[in-house]
Amino acid sequence: AQSVTQPDIHITVSEGASLELRCNYSYGATPYLFWYVQSPGQGLQLLLKYFSGDTLVQGIKGFEAEFKRSQSSFNLRKPSVHWSDAAEYFCAVGNQGGKLIFGQGTELSVKP
Amino acid sequence: NAGVTQTPKFQVLKTGQSMTLQCAQDMNHNSMYWYRQDPGMGLRLIYYSASEGTTDKGEVPNGYNVSRLNKREFSLRLESAAPSQTSVYFCASSITGTSGTDTQYFGPGTRLTVL
Repeated sequence: AQSVTQPDIHITVSEGASLELRCNYSYGATPYLFWYVQSPGQGLQLLLKYFSGDTLVQGIKGFEAEFKRSQSSFNLRKPSVHWSDAAEYFCAVGNQGGKLIFGQGTELSVKP
Repeated sequence: NAGVTQTPKFQVLKTGQSMTLQCAQDMNHNSMYWYRQDPGMGLRLIYYSASEGTTDKGEVPNGYNVSRLNKREFSLRLESAAPSQTSVYFCASSITGTSGTDTQYFGPGTRLTVL
């Protein structure tokens, strides 16, 4: 069965520090992978997606993610976090039928 | 271009009451989705509509019905609300709904409380 696991429920980082959010997936075929961000009280916005080619994907707001097939991972990174990055982050895998399966989410807090 | 809009933003119901959540998109997308978001569980698919005139069950369809009114609109109905349906509901749309690479675009959500 397809599934997505985000091992960290809540992460706190200091402003200016680097960030890595973990995502592991279980999917039989070539996965289509997404990271979405949800600011408080808002809907979800796409940060980036991967479906083929270069395994390092650049997204909006300075985020990037790396697909590692051997580790079944698609971790999200940012070199320097800003206070406005505080939000909830969701990893998702898309199947051939166009549906998304989401992870549980990771809430990011940013310390001044 | 408003994207995906949802009404209402907030709603409080009593157990047994019914209500319909409305969703509309102006991006000429073929596919639309309804999710619920609960703490610690991410988003779970309730129903989806791959194209106008079709609807299919998702992961958690019990207690809900949907109507794809036209290409733009996709409504979610709770016939007899239960406290377990207290959640935040999101509508989304995508251009084809048949490709795993499609981006889904989300509305701002409806926060529903059932007492």
